[in-house]
Amino acid sequence: GNSVTQMEGPVTLSEEAFLTINCTYTATGYPSLFWYVQYPGEGLQLLLKATKADDKGSNKGFEATYRKETTSFHLEKGSVQVSDSAVYFCALSDQGAQKLVFGQGTRLTINP
Amino acid sequence: EPEVTQTPSHQVTQMGQEVILRCVPISNHLYFYWYRQILGQKVEFLVSFYNNEISEKSEIFDDQFSVERPDGSNFTLKIRSTKLEDSAMYFCASIPGQGSYEQYFGPGTRLTVT
Repeated sequence: GNSVTQMEGPVTLSEEAFLTINCTYTATGYPSLFWYVQYPGEGLQLLLKATKADDKGSNKGFEATYRKETTSFHLEKGSVQVSDSAVYFCALSDQGAQKLVFGQGTRLTINP
Repeated sequence: EPEVTQTPSHQVTQMGQEVILRCVPISNHLYFYWYRQILGQKVEFLVSFYNNEISEKSEIFDDQFSVERPDGSNFTLKIRSTKLEDSAMYFCASIPGQGSYEQYFGPGTRLTVT
């Protein structure tokens, strides 16, 4: 079945550091890929998405590129802020209305 | 901005008791979901619901679980006889329709079974 694997956390960085959170997936078809973020005490929010190979999703300075050849969707940000501290989830779905399959989440803490 | 709401935010119950978790999806959305996250583990799909019936369910969603949309606004998850291992955060989500990629999540209900 479909699955998503994220890098182990937690990740702790200093403000303005470069961020990469790795995500790889296994899927039988051509899934859509997502990054969701969960701030403390809140629900999951869509951060960015990509629906086909080579698409780049971007939002709030975060980017991720759908790499079919390496089955990856790594999250990057050039300069993180304290407000980026949250748990980040990589996820996939096979079609528009289908269930999401999540990775285990990566807790990110940014220190001033 | 419209949002998905869930009540209660925290529910404590004794093993063997029935619980009902409530969700109010965004008003024009047509597809509804429940997910759960056991502490420290992945967010897992439980069930999807469309047109007043279950469209998909996971292995977790056994006979102890049921879902209902009783009045056109609420979407509920019932656990008939809770077990210790049902302790988790339960998230409700909705989307406007097929082809809509973003699932809108509620803030979750933390269920603690003692």
